[in-house]
Amino acid sequence: AQKITQTQPGMFVQEKEAVTLDCTYDTSDQSYGLFWYKQPSSGEMIFLIYQGSYDEQNATEGRYSLNFQKARKSANLVISASQLGDSAMYFCAMRGADGLTFGKGTHLIIQP
Amino acid sequence: DAGVIQSPRHEVTEMGQEVTLRCKPISGHDYLFWYRQTMMRGLELLIYFNNNVPIDDSGMPEDRFSAKMPNASFSTLKIQPSEPRDSAVYFCASSFGGADTQYFGPGTRLTVL
Repeated sequence: AQKITQTQPGMFVQEKEAVTLDCTYDTSDQSYGLFWYKQPSSGEMIFLIYQGSYDEQNATEGRYSLNFQKARKSANLVISASQLGDSAMYFCAMRGADGLTFGKGTHLIIQP
Repeated sequence: DAGVIQSPRHEVTEMGQEVTLRCKPISGHDYLFWYRQTMMRGLELLIYFNNNVPIDDSGMPEDRFSAKMPNASFSTLKIQPSEPRDSAVYFCASSFGGADTQYFGPGTRLTVL
């Protein structure tokens, strides 16, 4: 069975600093995908970034980048130059043979 | 382009009543997923459809839960009878292909008194 672990229940970061949200996964699948979603206090789930298991380069989308270390089975999300609007829950998810599995999430709070 | 649409956004009902949640996926997407989110259990996949056919309903908690997809643009999740422990946020998501990114609707916050 596939499993996602997010070890940081909550984080406080000063505005404009870079943030790294940790995510490790466990799977026996050879082909899989890794996703990050943002859930602000309003409740919607917003797709941020995707990394395929065979992608050699780390995915980037604007201020978001995914630090993919396949041997370590980690897929950390990096947010550069954090903004107050980045305050939200962040979920790491993996798509494998068992479908899409989510981690428990990290509650990120950006402080002015 | 319109995203995934869910209705109602909020639902408050009494125990024992029937509840129907509705979802319209993104046009052209062939996969539709229903999730439930609670503080205790996080996000759980309940059921998903491919081309309107239910593929995996192993996440549906009990026989009180049922889901249908009569056509490519509409799906329902029904709870009958509802119980207080069903209180949660229910999300619908859709994707083009089972391996592609899933796009979520705004969710329905269900409260069963």
